[in-house]
Amino acid sequence: KNQVEQSPQSLIILEGKNCTLQCNYTVSPFSNLRWYKQDTGRGPVSLTIMTFSENTKSNGRYTATLDADTKQSSLHITASQLSDSASYICVVRNDYKLSFGAGTTVTVRA
Amino acid sequence: EPEVTQTPSHQVTQMGQEVILRCVPISNHLYFYWYRQILGQKVEFLVSFYNNEISEKSEIFDDQFSVERPDGSNFTLKIRSTKLEDSAMYFCASMRSGSTDTQYFGPGTRLTVL
Repeated sequence: KNQVEQSPQSLIILEGKNCTLQCNYTVSPFSNLRWYKQDTGRGPVSLTIMTFSENTKSNGRYTATLDADTKQSSLHITASQLSDSASYICVVRNDYKLSFGAGTTVTVRA
Repeated sequence: EPEVTQTPSHQVTQMGQEVILRCVPISNHLYFYWYRQILGQKVEFLVSFYNNEISEKSEIFDDQFSVERPDGSNFTLKIRSTKLEDSAMYFCASMRSGSTDTQYFGPGTRLTVL
């Protein structure tokens, strides 16, 4: 069964600090992996997308890594801001179907 | 910047009633999707639609659900006889082309079934 597991479930960090979110998946065959940011009550917004051959992709203060051999990905947030408070969702694509992780809720405090 | 829009933002209905959720995808996009997210749970795939037909559907998308692209701009999700467990946020998404393209999500419709 295609599964996407994220950890931690939630975390709280101080403004300006860094954090790393983890994603493990069993989706096969693998097409690509995306990280989305979802603000409360809103639709997910794409942050990064990586294919099998890419191991790192950055979008501003967000850096995603992918190890396709171990089927793991991480999302690193640098110098967090209050506006980074959201749910971060790892999504793995299999052909044209997406499998969603449950998300990590990040709370940034001043 | 073009965006996916959804109406209504919140729909309240009685159990057993039919509801239609509406989406206007980004105009040059070819692939369309519906997802749902029950409060506090993960986003779940419902159905994908391409070239005027369903390309894939999940086990959630049973006979009470249907999708339509009636006029080349709107993309609708119909729930024929709503149940309490259909209460969720429903997201529409569209994608221009290709498996590495980005799916753009709408803001969602919150459906509450009483």
